[in-house]
Amino acid sequence: EIVMTQSPATLSVSPGERATLSCRASQTVSSNLAWYQQKPGQAPRLLIHGVSTRATGIPARFSGSGSGTEFTLTISSLQSEDFAVYYCQQYNNWRTFGQGTKVEIK
Amino acid sequence: QVQLVQSGAEVRKPGASVRVSCKASGYTFITYAMHWVRQVPGHRPEWMGWITTGNGNTIYAQKFQGRVTFTRDTSASTAYMEVSGLRSEDSAVYYCAAIDLGDYWGQGTLVTVSS
Repeated sequence: EIVMTQSPATLSVSPGERATLSCRASQTVSSNLAWYQQKPGQAPRLLIHGVSTRATGIPARFSGSGSGTEFTLTISSLQSEDFAVYYCQQYNNWRTFGQGTKVEIK
Repeated sequence: QVQLVQSGAEVRKPGASVRVSCKASGYTFITYAMHWVRQVPGHRPEWMGWITTGNGNTIYAQKFQGRVTFTRDTSASTAYMEVSGLRSEDSAVYYCAAIDLGDYWGQGTLVTVSS
């Protein structure tokens, strides 16, 4: 099983600031990497697939980058609605999620 | 519009079984697989597997093989997920998702296993 490891566990950011979230895979996942956002009581919401392609309706302030085993999600200017838990997910071999990064208000 | 509506919360005793339903609307049900995802509150989601709704073929995560069964009723556009031999660690929110169609998820069904 491919193990996904995210850092940091919690990120404290002020509204308007930039947030950078990291994700590492235990083995290469090629470009089969997605990012999800989840708010309390809701299903995960797809933000990014294929490392850097935004899903339908996702604002341009969300961007993804990386390759192989190291990936990054950047939120360029945090809005109030962006405070949530973010998961990376690989779908190169089955589908496994990282443990999540909670983005909280500083 | 695409909707996936799941059945309501369930409480079961250890050793019992539970079946969760997921009714699809707004698209042709048999065209897209239905995936199932489990999430223990406060933990990462776990992909359980999927059912090819057209022919009923199923794929299960190794962790769930033997205790989980996916079925579907094409006439009702409904997919089902059954877990048998429930344990306390099966207490979780269970989601259905039509991710091959788009980012479409059910609202989740909370299953609580408690004696």
